[in-house]
Amino acid sequence: DIQLTQSPSFLSASVGDRVTITCRASQDISSYLAWYQQKPGKAPKLLIYAASSLQSGVPSRFSGSGSGTEFTLTISSLQPEDFATYYCQQGTSYPYTFGQGTKLEIK
Amino acid sequence: QVQLQESGPGLVKPSQTLSLTCTVSGGSISSGGYYWSWIRQHPGKGLEWIGYIYYTGSTYYNPSLKSRVTISLDTSKNQFSLKLSSVTAADTAVYYCARDVTIFGNSFDIWGQGTMVTVSS
Repeated sequence: DIQLTQSPSFLSASVGDRVTITCRASQDISSYLAWYQQKPGKAPKLLIYAASSLQSGVPSRFSGSGSGTEFTLTISSLQPEDFATYYCQQGTSYPYTFGQGTKLEIK
Repeated sequence: QVQLQESGPGLVKPSQTLSLTCTVSGGSISSGGYYWSWIRQHPGKGLEWIGYIYYTGSTYYNPSLKSRVTISLDTSKNQFSLKLSSVTAADTAVYYCARDVTIFGNSFDIWGQGTMVTVSS
């Protein structure tokens, strides 16, 4: 299985901050990488697919980059509604796998 | 727009079979280009992909669960289902159904709201 390792696992930040979350894959996954946001008691929500494509309806402050084994999710200016847990997911080979999550908390 | 809704028992006894159904509304489950998946999340933990079914009936299961999982399709009802046999407390989780979009690099663009299943006697 392809392992995805997110860093950091916990992140404390303030409204207006720029934050970056990293996802590293145990082998080359090309650009088959997606990012999700999950709030307590809710299903994950797709933010970014194919490493850098913004899902329809997602604010432009979210962006993704990377290819191969290293990927980043950047939020350019944190808003109060962005405090949540973020997951990466690879779709290049079965079984699909997810990162362990990054919990973004208010400082 | 397409919506997914899980249904099924919230409590299952150990050694029995967990059975859940996902109803697809606002679109056809027989549309090509989409795979219909089950994903679970143990309490306070991360996400685990269980497997998918395509409208043709082809399936793929996570090898970690393959011996106990069956995913099936009912196109007449626009539903797909999950059966997980011989459950233990380790199968207690929130179970989600989700749509996997191949042109989106196999990402999940639509999710059900999730259903909590507890395995307990």
